[in-house]
Amino acid sequence: QKEVEQNSGPLSVPEGAIASLNCTYSDRGSQSFFWYRQYSGKSPELIMSIYSNGDKEDGRFTAQLNKASQYVSLLIRDSQPSDSATYLCAVSFYNQGGKLIFGQGTELSVKP
Amino acid sequence: EAGVAQSPRYKIIEKRQSVAFWCNPISGHATLYWYQQILGQGPKLLIQFQNNGVVDDSQLPKDRFSAERLKGVDSTLKIQPAKLEDSAVYLCASSPRRGDGYTFGSGTRLTVV
Repeated sequence: QKEVEQNSGPLSVPEGAIASLNCTYSDRGSQSFFWYRQYSGKSPELIMSIYSNGDKEDGRFTAQLNKASQYVSLLIRDSQPSDSATYLCAVSFYNQGGKLIFGQGTELSVKP
Repeated sequence: EAGVAQSPRYKIIEKRQSVAFWCNPISGHATLYWYQQILGQGPKLLIQFQNNGVVDDSQLPKDRFSAERLKGVDSTLKIQPAKLEDSAVYLCASSPRRGDGYTFGSGTRLTVV
């Protein structure tokens, strides 16, 4: 079983809609949760971090964490074509030295 | 603050040749990571350093890959000999502490032919 799983997509949404990206993880000994955005041919860029259950909002982005369900999500409101990218979920685990384990990424396409 | 510096940006080599990548992390970041990202996949950790000590190299193919971080600052990753399946982007990242979010460098795209 993969430790961090994401739907690979592609996820296509119209401009102005809400994009919902989901991630599940296998280890309850998890510590920190991150969302990275990766444009084609570029390196990953950290856009959100979340450490406790609940919601965390930053501009048009909201991260949601539910440790009991081992689930973390990213909502992008008012999606723009410039949001088209691959979104990587990453989790650090207490028992693995704090390294980040990445999911395979979800490709998001925002259509004008 | 300056970001994570990596070089070269691109490298094309023949199989069985050797190659080396260089990384300079953000100043003051104690933790440095090398990841391999194959096209269409998420990054996979190769090695993690804390200062100049290795924390995790469990997924490093030690028969052909080696890495060092002398003086706890910059780092080099070497592949010798390269195989076709080593074609990937090699990403260096650093963080202030273990468990923090990383800052990635621009990566080195390696093509083995």
